Amino acid sequence: EADIYQTPRYLVIGTGKKITLECSQTMGHDKMYWYQQDPGMELHLIHYSYGVNSTEKGDLSSESTVSRIRTEHFPLTLESARPSHTSQYLCASSRTEFEKLFFGSGTQLSVL
Amino acid sequence: KQEVTQIPAALSVPEGENLVLNCSFTDSAIYNLQWFRQDPGKGLTSLLLIQSSQREQTSGRLNASLDKSSGRSTLYIAASQPGDSATYLCAVTKQGAQKLVFGQGTRLTINP
Repeated sequence: EADIYQTPRYLVIGTGKKITLECSQTMGHDKMYWYQQDPGMELHLIHYSYGVNSTEKGDLSSESTVSRIRTEHFPLTLESARPSHTSQYLCASSRTEFEKLFFGSGTQLSVL
Repeated sequence: KQEVTQIPAALSVPEGENLVLNCSFTDSAIYNLQWFRQDPGKGLTSLLLIQSSQREQTSGRLNASLDKSSGRSTLYIAASQPGDSATYLCAVTKQGAQKLVFGQGTRLTINP
């Protein structure tokens, strides 16, 4: 059973607000990822980390930023949210990049 | 660039039938292929992972095959049940990229 948690589950905010989406895992995984998914569409990698103090941008350009100060924690921040940021954000982790990927339940973000 | 395609986009079958979901990828230089299940508005659950050296993996009523040379994988579901209704996604880890590339998924509905 995967132990990876995302909060909040749902978030509705106004344009211009700063938000942080939380992601934590208790499995000791070094590899962590953030994906963005629009309804009915494929997942796009927006950020990943291979360990503490290591972060990289993914394949899809995103205005969000991430940090990895602790192994278990990989938060995503939007400094100024816009309606175009409305989407589902999924956090995932794995022991290595070649093993099973475990996902959190996701955060559904709506920016009005 | 690695591209992953899943056909059909949607499938509806009566309960009890055996069915096959298809996944194709353009670049055969992969480390592995994973099949995931996603319920509406939720994260993904890894079902099966096939390493590039393997031909198939089985878990309960699920069997996944991999033909790397032709760039194809199938997910076979035996004796389908209404609880199998979900979107099924395949993803490959490309050699050298160390990141997953996802297909758009097949939305499966099992009718009682």
